[in-house]
Amino acid sequence: DTGVSQNPRHKITKRGQNVTFRCDPISEHNRLYWYRQTLGQGPEFLTYFQNEAQLEKSRLLSDRFSAERPKGSFSTLEIQRTEQGDSAMYLCASSSLRMTGELFFGEGSRLTVL
Amino acid sequence: GQQVMQIPQYQHVQEGEDFTTYCNSSTTLSNIQWYKQRPGGHPVFLIQLVKSGEVKKQKRLTFQFGEAKKNSSLHITATQTTDVGTYFCAAAYALNFGKGTSLLVTP
Repeated sequence: DTGVSQNPRHKITKRGQNVTFRCDPISEHNRLYWYRQTLGQGPEFLTYFQNEAQLEKSRLLSDRFSAERPKGSFSTLEIQRTEQGDSAMYLCASSSLRMTGELFFGEGSRLTVL
Repeated sequence: GQQVMQIPQYQHVQEGEDFTTYCNSSTTLSNIQWYKQRPGGHPVFLIQLVKSGEVKKQKRLTFQFGEAKKNSSLHITATQTTDVGTYFCAAAYALNFGKGTSLLVTP
């Protein structure tokens, strides 16, 4: 499978715990994006990387959220001290600078905070 | 920022009817992308429009970008049950998604 891979697919945690999601983009893609999606809403942009550099981060993103892409390949999104409002689908997408704009999304990681 | 609003929020059609969803912005958009998300699935890229007045077709789907680059539309001719899903427009190279239009097609 050469698509965008996300793990875990589902995560149930208790309020106050930390969670980490991993995204493996399509191998030749330079850009990697994180979004959050709740029911009935469009994907909400969180942050994006070009190679290992984090180029943009949503001002709506709480300081409990942090993302890394240390070697310009896979990325992790960590949420510290989770709250019930963090329950959502976390989507990762990647794109190539050579292709105009097209994002390829993974299946997502669903977070439920109890 | 380049925020976009989509209308309608929902649309229910009989198979064979046409469908249109609209994407509007109060500011000039550099580009607009369209994605489709099937129930339980992830967004899938359909197209990107960049030029003022641009019209692109993909089989039964027609995409338009307004002359002022403040609006866009997606029109589906003769809907099929396989068209069911939520259609999103996204501005600023996918940094700003609309809330989507959910299409239900009954046979």
